[in-house]
Amino acid sequence: SQKIEQNSEALNIQEGKTATLTCNYTNYSPAYLQWYRQDPGRGPVFLLLIRENEKEKRKERLKVTFDTTLKQSLFHITASQPADSATYLCALEGGSQGNLIFGKGTKLSVKP
Amino acid sequence: NAGVTQTPKFQVLKTGQSMTLQCAQDMNHEYMSWYRQDPGMGLRLIHYSVGAGITDQGEVPNGYNVSRSTTEDFPLRLLSAAPSQTSVYFCASSSEYRGASEQYFGPGTRLTVT
Repeated sequence: SQKIEQNSEALNIQEGKTATLTCNYTNYSPAYLQWYRQDPGRGPVFLLLIRENEKEKRKERLKVTFDTTLKQSLFHITASQPADSATYLCALEGGSQGNLIFGKGTKLSVKP
Repeated sequence: NAGVTQTPKFQVLKTGQSMTLQCAQDMNHEYMSWYRQDPGMGLRLIHYSVGAGITDQGEVPNGYNVSRSTTEDFPLRLLSAAPSQTSVYFCASSSEYRGASEQYFGPGTRLTVT
């Protein structure tokens, strides 16, 4: 069956450390994979998009990798800050109509 | 540029009542979609549209209707509300179909059906 899994429901790290979030998928062959941030009571906000032929994408303190062999994407936040605390969602092109399928999210808490 | 707007922000319905959740975008995006978000379930696609006059079903369409008469508006209708439809509903739009471009989400409508 098709699945998209984010490694853990919650991740707690210390300020200044690098947060690494994992998104694994099975039985999909997405051409694109996206990451979103969601704060409580708000809609998701787009962060990064990576294509299947790209290994890595960076934006300021954010870095995403996409390994189509391992069927995995890693999302890194370097020099993390308490303001980075939020739920992070991965999404891939995988529905029967090619629509985005979302993971359940990982709640990141950055402690000062 | 307001982006994606949704009304109402909160709504309480009794079982069997009907209502329409409004969604509008001012970015001239062709692709619009409706999701519901439930604890432990993630975002699930209800219906989507690839342009005015064209709609299709997503993963969980039962109990919902949509129409797209203009590029800007994409209302979601609950025909006869059930407690299982208690959820947070998000409307989203993007310039391209599939996963090729970012989706812009509205602020959400929190619906409770008693």
